[in-house]
Amino acid sequence: EAGVVQSPRYKIIEKKQPVAFWCNPISGHNTLYWYLQNLGQGPELLIRYENEEAVDDSQLPKDRFSAERLKGVDSTLKIQPAELGDSAVYLCASSDSYQGLQETQYFGPGTRLLVL
Amino acid sequence: AQRVTQPEKLLSVFKGAPVELKCNYSYSGSPELFWYVQYSRQRLQLLLRHISRESIKGFTADLNKGETSFHLKKPFAQEEDSAMYYCALGFGGNTPLVFGKGTRLSVIA
Repeated sequence: EAGVVQSPRYKIIEKKQPVAFWCNPISGHNTLYWYLQNLGQGPELLIRYENEEAVDDSQLPKDRFSAERLKGVDSTLKIQPAELGDSAVYLCASSDSYQGLQETQYFGPGTRLLVL
Repeated sequence: AQRVTQPEKLLSVFKGAPVELKCNYSYSGSPELFWYVQYSRQRLQLLLRHISRESIKGFTADLNKGETSFHLKKPFAQEEDSAMYYCALGFGGNTPLVFGKGTRLSVIA
């Protein structure tokens, strides 16, 4: 089992440039999460998908951030244009279908973004 | 609002000493609490959850609803325990987790 896959692992861009992150969840996991982790902080949710539907995107800054999960499998998170404050680690996680109690979330290695 | 507080950013202990990483939460409902760990150059992974009440790698954590705490404990620290530890609050199903800021544990030989 490969686990949650993310690419790229690192990205350096200049401010005002666009950037995209890709995530492939564990096979069969219907729920996919994008978390943002700033330096010295814990992860914070950006958006959650149930299959291809975004069910929780209240924390996503929609003026510059967008996300999609077109076929309900892999997902892309985009920032356009990037700002200096977007420098952070972007984590993707997935979990299995709801069985009652909180499902375990499995995290990818993250994409570390540096905006210059 | 739901919140998780980890008061220590860094905790240094000697090998063989007891360890306690503190976690307090703010939530009026029935919480589900977790500890996640991130070893150097590895991804964030689940260490334990309160519902399972099991010991993982010698770590235990007891949910104290009266004190709204979920402290992580280990009687004898090992060098390989050095890592970042995050306490997280869940609300059931596939709801997103609310994480604390994390505590870096450093076990000194």
